[in-house]
Amino acid sequence: QLQLQESGPGLEKPSETLSLTCTVSGGSISSSNYYWGWIRQPPGKGLEWIGSIDYSGSTYYNPSLKSRVTISVDTSKNQFSLKLSSVTAADTAVYYCARQGDTAMDYLDYWGRGTLVTVSS
Amino acid sequence: QSVLTQPPSVSEAPRQRVTISCSGSSSNIGSNSVYWYQQLPGEAPKLLIYYDDLLPSGVSDRFSGSKSGTSASLAISGLQSEDEADYYCATWDDSLNGVVFGGGTKLTVL
Repeated sequence: QLQLQESGPGLEKPSETLSLTCTVSGGSISSSNYYWGWIRQPPGKGLEWIGSIDYSGSTYYNPSLKSRVTISVDTSKNQFSLKLSSVTAADTAVYYCARQGDTAMDYLDYWGRGTLVTVSS
Repeated sequence: QSVLTQPPSVSEAPRQRVTISCSGSSSNIGSNSVYWYQQLPGEAPKLLIYYDDLLPSGVSDRFSGSKSGTSASLAISGLQSEDEADYYCATWDDSLNGVVFGGGTKLTVL
């Protein structure tokens, strides 16, 4: 059974860079059949797609976050990562990682449990 | 404001049927597949419907999806208290070149 687990600091200071890692188990991230995505959810609000990456490093980003987002993949560790720079309180959210189908347009079928990141001084 | 428009809330009695709408445009729903996700309180979202109307393995056939033009709908029949959750539609937007979600609909089973 495929499992995804987010990890990283739960607290970031304003203007800093948020860094999270998603570790995939029960399957290989190197499979050419899938993209891997990041999605966030501010407290009490809806879902927002951040971006997606495939095993080769091909990326798609949410245009509203593109200038601040970098998603990378480490196939040797079966992980993919998110960096969000210049964070503000508006970036406080539960961050989820998920597996997509064979394109970034596809559905998200396996999700991590999410990790809350709070931006506060 | 979300690119896809959903009603903020719907409610219905147990054993009844409810539908949740998702309205978009030609650049998203009108030209791409629609997905539906269920988010139970305190949990991660779960894929409910993919490619407009297909059910993933293990999802109850009380759930069904449909699409017409630039709108999509999720129907839940035989409502149960365990169906109380937030429901989100999603698709790809060709203009934004990214995944877009609806604002979510909170379902209350009376």
